Amino acid sequence: GAGVSQSPSNKVTEKGKDVELRCDPISGHTALYWYRQSLGQGLEFLIYFQGNSAPDKSGLPSDRFSAERTGGSVSTLTIQRTQQEDSAVYLCASSLSHGREQFFGPGTRLTVL
Amino acid sequence: AQSVAQPEDQVNVAEGNPLTVKCTYSVSGNPYLFWYVQYPNRGLQFLLKYITGDNLVKGSYGFEAEFNKSQTSFHLKKPSALVSDSALYFCAVRATNAGNNRKLIWGLGTSLAVNP
Repeated sequence: GAGVSQSPSNKVTEKGKDVELRCDPISGHTALYWYRQSLGQGLEFLIYFQGNSAPDKSGLPSDRFSAERTGGSVSTLTIQRTQQEDSAVYLCASSLSHGREQFFGPGTRLTVL
Repeated sequence: AQSVAQPEDQVNVAEGNPLTVKCTYSVSGNPYLFWYVQYPNRGLQFLLKYITGDNLVKGSYGFEAEFNKSQTSFHLKKPSALVSDSALYFCAVRATNAGNNRKLIWGLGTSLAVNP
């Protein structure tokens, strides 16, 4: 079966613009995670979804960041009014259930000019 | 508070020599422990995990890790390093008695360089 897919693979935008990043998890995986990884840095947790439960948004760095997961499958991470410090690789992962091993997508490299 | 430490930012080892990438953790209760690898310009890949049972866990690409409860460590090892093992390695931990708070806590990563 297919792994986790993310689109676009690269996104260059101008400061102040909104961007949407998409994640398509592995079919049947109930948990979905968004992380951010800056150049040479570790993973920064952003948000996770588990089934129909309310998402854990504790890692979102500001109210410019939001995420949705429609129908328990595809997720969209939206960054409004992008800033240069938002430049990073945004990684999505899914797992069979929360706390199990996570399978990562290839990431979206976001560059804010 | 739960935490994971990877005390070495970088590990250098000669090809053919054994390698160790260190990880220590602090969680309440018994931990679930994971190792992931990130090859250059590629996504993170799951390597191995410890949930329960035998303290020595074997994973992908010939890697293994040993859970040491008394030292709260989960060091990643390989008997004979390959140049192709050069990558960024992440340790992660999850408490098993944390109720709904079952997020993985991630280390900052260790860059492994295997020299030919």
